[in-house]
Amino acid sequence: EPEVTQTPSHQVTQMGQEVILRCVPISNHLYFYWYRQILGQKVEFLVSFYNNEISEKSEIFDDQFSVERPDGSNFTLKIRSTKLEDSAMYFCASRADGVGYTFGSGTRLTVV
Amino acid sequence: EDKVVQSPLSLVVHEGDTVTLNCSYEVTNFRSLLWYKQEKKAPTFLFMLTSSGIEKKSGRLSSILDKKELFSILNITATQTGDSAVYLCAPNYGNNRLAFGKGNQVVVIP
Repeated sequence: EPEVTQTPSHQVTQMGQEVILRCVPISNHLYFYWYRQILGQKVEFLVSFYNNEISEKSEIFDDQFSVERPDGSNFTLKIRSTKLEDSAMYFCASRADGVGYTFGSGTRLTVV
Repeated sequence: EDKVVQSPLSLVVHEGDTVTLNCSYEVTNFRSLLWYKQEKKAPTFLFMLTSSGIEKKSGRLSSILDKKELFSILNITATQTGDSAVYLCAPNYGNNRLAFGKGNQVVVIP
C-alpha cells in the first residue's frame, strides 16, 4: 500500500529557531496538505497545495509558515521563529482526484 | 466557519458489542465526508461518502451519510480490542479541505 512518508518523526527545537518538516507524498497524487494537531485538540487544516502553488490556507497559516515543493517528490513545511504554541503533531497528506486523503505518520514538534 | 460535532466523545464497550458513532456537520460547499481511525499517530482512512443513503461496508465497519440532515453514522459490529481508537469524522468542503471533529474515543475491553 503506498504511503506518505514524513521526516523526522520527532523534532525538538528551541523557541525562535526555524524548522523544516519534510514529506514525501504518494507519487501519483497531485494535491498536498499540511494539518496539525495540538495535544488533546482537533486536527486543524493549515494549507493545501496544487500545481506548485498554495490553493488555500487557514487563518493559522500566517507569515511564519511557508510550504515548498523543491523537487518532484518532496513537500516541505517551514516554520520560522518557532513559538511554544507551535508544539504539535504535524501531518502531511496527499490525495488524487476522487479518492480520500492519505495521511503520513506525522512529525511531533516540541518547542522548548 | 466549519462545525463538526461527534458523539459520544468517549465510550467503553466489551468485545462483541456493536458501536454506533455519530457525526453532525455544518460546512459550506460540501463535497464528501470521510471517516478515519486514529490510533497512535496518523489517521488511517476508512470511508469516503459522497451520496446520501448508500451504505459503505468494510468488514465489520459500515457507514452512511444523510446530506439532508447533515449527519453520518459509523457502525462497528462484533467489536474487537483492535478497534480501540479515536474515530474521526471529517467533511471535505470548499477547496477540498477537511474539517475534523474532536473524535469518538472507543475503548474495547476483553
